[in-house]
Amino acid sequence: IQMTQSPAFLSASVGDRVTLTCRASQGIGNDLGWYQQRPGKAPKLLIYATSHLQTGVPSRFSGGGSDTEFTLTISSLQPEDFGTYYCLQDVAYPLTFGQGTRLEI
Amino acid sequence: EVQLVESGGDLVQPGGSLRLSCTASGFSFSDHYMDWVRQAPGKGLEWVGRTRNKANSYNTEYGASVIGRFTISRDDSKTSMFLHMNSLKTEDTAVYYCARATFGSGTYFLDSWGQGTLVTVSS
Repeated sequence: IQMTQSPAFLSASVGDRVTLTCRASQGIGNDLGWYQQRPGKAPKLLIYATSHLQTGVPSRFSGGGSDTEFTLTISSLQPEDFGTYYCLQDVAYPLTFGQGTRLEI
Repeated sequence: EVQLVESGGDLVQPGGSLRLSCTASGFSFSDHYMDWVRQAPGKGLEWVGRTRNKANSYNTEYGASVIGRFTISRDDSKTSMFLHMNSLKTEDTAVYYCARATFGSGTYFLDSWGQGTLVTVSS
């Protein structure tokens, strides 16, 4: 299953509302997670099962969608939200990541 | 506190072998599936493979680029997982992360990650 993220790069300002998109080449139900990676750091889980917020993740992050199209929305961008965001499907092996969206504040 | 610590990364020649370790603490290791994920320099994340738990016979799954060359094993008594890498290629150069897979809301997700260990394949 191929995962395609858009845009590849996004520049936005503090306080903006931003939406990242991930599309699957075939239906994956709700088996999708979103991960944030800051430069030089390990990835961090933000959202699982499409829309469930991981414990400790700020509520400005939200996920939506189903089947082949998914979104990650940051309601009010904060300076610490810079980094690269990846989606990951976990419905079928091999698991596959999207190519990432780099978010610049 | 959940902790995952990878080790074993090194410089190795093409065609060589290497074993990475991931040592876990702070949770019931034997209950969890565990994954390896890698990231080549300046590139995105690539899923390498997964080992299931004892209840699921420690069965494993692998990414297409490593099938037949990499093997994942685990030792629950030592709360450790291993990645045995053979026939290494220059394109295997990457930071290798171990991650804990947790089941919830009908799916698995990688909710804890190690800091990564660097493998460099070069002559």
